[in-house]
Amino acid sequence: DAKTTQPPSMDCAEGRAANLPCNHSTISGNEYVYWYRQIHSQGPQYIIHGLKNNETNEMASLIITEDRKSSTLILPHATLRDTAVYYCIVRVAREAAGNKLTFGGGTRVLVKP
Amino acid sequence: KAGVTQTPRYLIKTRGQQVTLSCSPISGHRSVSWYQQTPGQGLQFLFEYFSETQRNKGNFPGRFSGRQFSNSRSEMNVSTLELGDSALYLCASSLQGLLREQYFGPGTRLTVT
Repeated sequence: DAKTTQPPSMDCAEGRAANLPCNHSTISGNEYVYWYRQIHSQGPQYIIHGLKNNETNEMASLIITEDRKSSTLILPHATLRDTAVYYCIVRVAREAAGNKLTFGGGTRVLVKP
Repeated sequence: KAGVTQTPRYLIKTRGQQVTLSCSPISGHRSVSWYQQTPGQGLQFLFEYFSETQRNKGNFPGRFSGRQFSNSRSEMNVSTLELGDSALYLCASSLQGLLREQYFGPGTRLTVT
């Protein structure tokens, strides 16, 4: 079974880039990597997703290694409002059995002034 | 436009009872997914409905069931409640499908005593 691991916590200085790693060493060909974040007392919020290529949107960048065994979410200029728990999720498409989701335990990011 | 709404927001039930939670997706979204969140197990996927059909299912016992109506509103039912079912139950809707830019509701906090 796929396994997704994340560091439990990290601090980041306001205005600096925050690099959040995710290890998904059992990933294979057709698995997407998704990132969501959850600010205290709210539902999770979509950030970005990717399959093989690096992706960028207005919120963040996603860097996926060539072997796809790990990825890094980059928040280019962290603000205090980026303080949240960040989840890395791998979605596996299975032919007959539908999609399987494997959740990382989440990284609690604290952005400090 | 209005976000995802969940009712009720808080619920207290007794072991052995059954409970029904409701979710109204964003207008136009046909995909509705349900998740369970607990401090011990983190985020876990329950199931996804799309156009009234269950399309994906997580690894939960048959006591957990759901349905989706023609207006895309969804309900989740848990029968024979156990203490371990105490959790935040999150509903998410999407235009595109499971995990793809899903918008989450605030959740229903279920406490089983």
